[in-house]
Amino acid sequence: NAGVTQTPKFRVLKTGQSMTLLCAQDMNHEYMYWYRQDPGMGLRLIHYSVGEGTTAKGEVPDGYNVSRLKKQNFLLGLESAAPSQTSVYFCASSISSTGTDSYEQYFGPGTRLTVT
Amino acid sequence: QKEVEQDPGPLSVPEGAIVSLNCTYSNSAFQYFMWYRQYSRKGPELLMYTYSSGNKEDGRFTAQVDKSSKYISLFIRDSQPSDSATYLCAPGGTPLVFGKGTRLSVIA
Repeated sequence: NAGVTQTPKFRVLKTGQSMTLLCAQDMNHEYMYWYRQDPGMGLRLIHYSVGEGTTAKGEVPDGYNVSRLKKQNFLLGLESAAPSQTSVYFCASSISSTGTDSYEQYFGPGTRLTVT
Repeated sequence: QKEVEQDPGPLSVPEGAIVSLNCTYSNSAFQYFMWYRQYSRKGPELLMYTYSSGNKEDGRFTAQVDKSSKYISLFIRDSQPSDSATYLCAPGGTPLVFGKGTRLSVIA
């Protein structure tokens, strides 16, 4: 049981390049989330998904796209990377988003992205 | 007004001290109040949570919620160097809203 895994762990991009971050969970969770964490800014929600085939915008969605084609995977895409997207990206999942199950989000180890 | 306000610290205490970490929130509809702990270069993990107002104790940790003043606290008794981490409050919404986190260092 690996929990939540993220690929890659580190990446350096040049401005304008594109990339996709992969998040996978093996806990059969319905809800998945993408956050970015920057010094002094805390965790900010980019996009999230309440189930296979669904996505919704979070607090800071601009410049990112997501897809949830399979329940266990949640992809975050950067079409044209900018230096402002330099950050640590965390994926998380939870059983659901309401009631007692909503309290526990399981986080991946993070992806450190630098855009030069 | 931001949904969740948390003093970012950093906070440095000697081993054995009692630590108080605090957050305020604005949405009176929140019912669940979570505390996450994040070690350096790791993802956050759930430490404990409370439902509605009141206290909840788990070993050396106590979470406290005062819904009337929209104030949540985490107390750590007999703090240890292993408690050195960033603590994030997260009042329960759909989805969760995280505070910016307080960085705590416990010095041996």
